Amino acid sequence: DVKVTQSSRYLVKRTGEKVFLECVQDMDHENMFWYRQDPGLGLRLIYFSYDVKMKEKGDIPEGYSVSREKKERFSLILESASTNQTSMYLCASNSLPSSYEQYFGPGTRLTVT
Amino acid sequence: KQEVTQIPAALSVPEGENLVLNCSFTDSAIYNLQWFRQDPGKGLTSLLLIQSSQREQTSGRLNASLDKSSGRSTLYIAASQPGDSATYLCAVRRAGGGNKLTFGTGTQLKVEL
Repeated sequence: DVKVTQSSRYLVKRTGEKVFLECVQDMDHENMFWYRQDPGLGLRLIYFSYDVKMKEKGDIPEGYSVSREKKERFSLILESASTNQTSMYLCASNSLPSSYEQYFGPGTRLTVT
Repeated sequence: KQEVTQIPAALSVPEGENLVLNCSFTDSAIYNLQWFRQDPGKGLTSLLLIQSSQREQTSGRLNASLDKSSGRSTLYIAASQPGDSATYLCAVRRAGGGNKLTFGTGTQLKVEL
């Protein structure tokens, strides 16, 4: 059974803190993604990775960085959290068959105060 | 730039009714289209994926159709149940390679007893 897990369901951090969001998939997928979801804006891609140590910017990478040291793990880093980064963060993964179907984790609701 | 629109933003129907959710996209050069379900505060669950060469896909009470030339997809839910209450999202992947999804903002469905 396909499984994508995220380290926290809810997280509260203070402005200026460094924040790590972790995502792990057990499907041996090559590709992993980080999205944020905001009311009225839908899901927007922050970063994705197509291999270990490889990454590409998505549509809204500013204020974020990522790390992929192992195939199954993809981390999103907020170097200095700000209140406008309060959001729902969703991780996803997929492999390279023709379907490209993406599988999502349960999400992390981050609040920056 | 691809834009994906879902109308209506919210829908309330009585139990047992058949219903149709709409998704439209501005660039018809897509590789595939995926429908997701999202329960409040949760991640996304993939429902159906339609390749650009297909006209429809079915899974249980769900049927998704695709008219690529007109930039439209519909998700048909037969005999709706209260458990179908959720937000339904569509997402398109552009043709010509690439692994990014462009999401609509979703239709929030409530099925009432």
